[in-house]
Amino acid sequence: SQQGEEDPQALSIQEGENATMNCSYKTSINNLQWYRQNSGRGLVHLILIRSNEREKHSGRLRVTLDTSKKSSSLLITASRAADTASYFCATGSGGYQKVTFGTGTKLQVIP
Amino acid sequence: KAGVTQTPRYLIKTRGQQVTLSCSPISGHRSVSWYQQTPGQGLQFLFEYFSETQRNKGNFPGRFSGRQFSNSRSEMNVSTLELGDSALYLCASSLRTGQTEAFFGQGTRLTVV
Repeated sequence: SQQGEEDPQALSIQEGENATMNCSYKTSINNLQWYRQNSGRGLVHLILIRSNEREKHSGRLRVTLDTSKKSSSLLITASRAADTASYFCATGSGGYQKVTFGTGTKLQVIP
Repeated sequence: KAGVTQTPRYLIKTRGQQVTLSCSPISGHRSVSWYQQTPGQGLQFLFEYFSETQRNKGNFPGRFSGRQFSNSRSEMNVSTLELGDSALYLCASSLRTGQTEAFFGQGTRLTVV
């Protein structure tokens, strides 16, 4: 079963706009990570945020984490056509840090 | 630094056969995880190996097995293949178990006919 659920399932925006994706999870976590996957290929790690952090930035990416609501959001600012991909959140929990992926958000950035 | 290498990239097998997939992690990484990705079920965790020991296991039948060698390379085996096993199998390596970012290979696309 999936630990995380991304919302929305699909998102289509114009180049230059901001894209926001949300992830909700069910159990307590040690960290949460966001990954990008281009069609049918491997996943690329974007950012990791620990459970004691509330916000993290990396280039055009901004991630927030609200452990009280068991949710996280990924904001991509000034989107580009190359950002077109599926985005997954992954939660790490448990003694051996079992990593569980969410259902993914398919982002399309229209040039 | 070489990335995670998965072989083969594509595979076609017949129902009932068995298959072995290979994953070479990034040098120095000791944790290898395997995932199955299908359009219907998304990314499903199969198992994780760390220092040649299985540390975590997902909810897959016993037909799915794996192992890790002393050089951290890992293999995944699926016996008695079913049509539903058709999927992209992804391997990820990391320094430790889950605490750090995982680096993914390009995957093996398995088609069962």
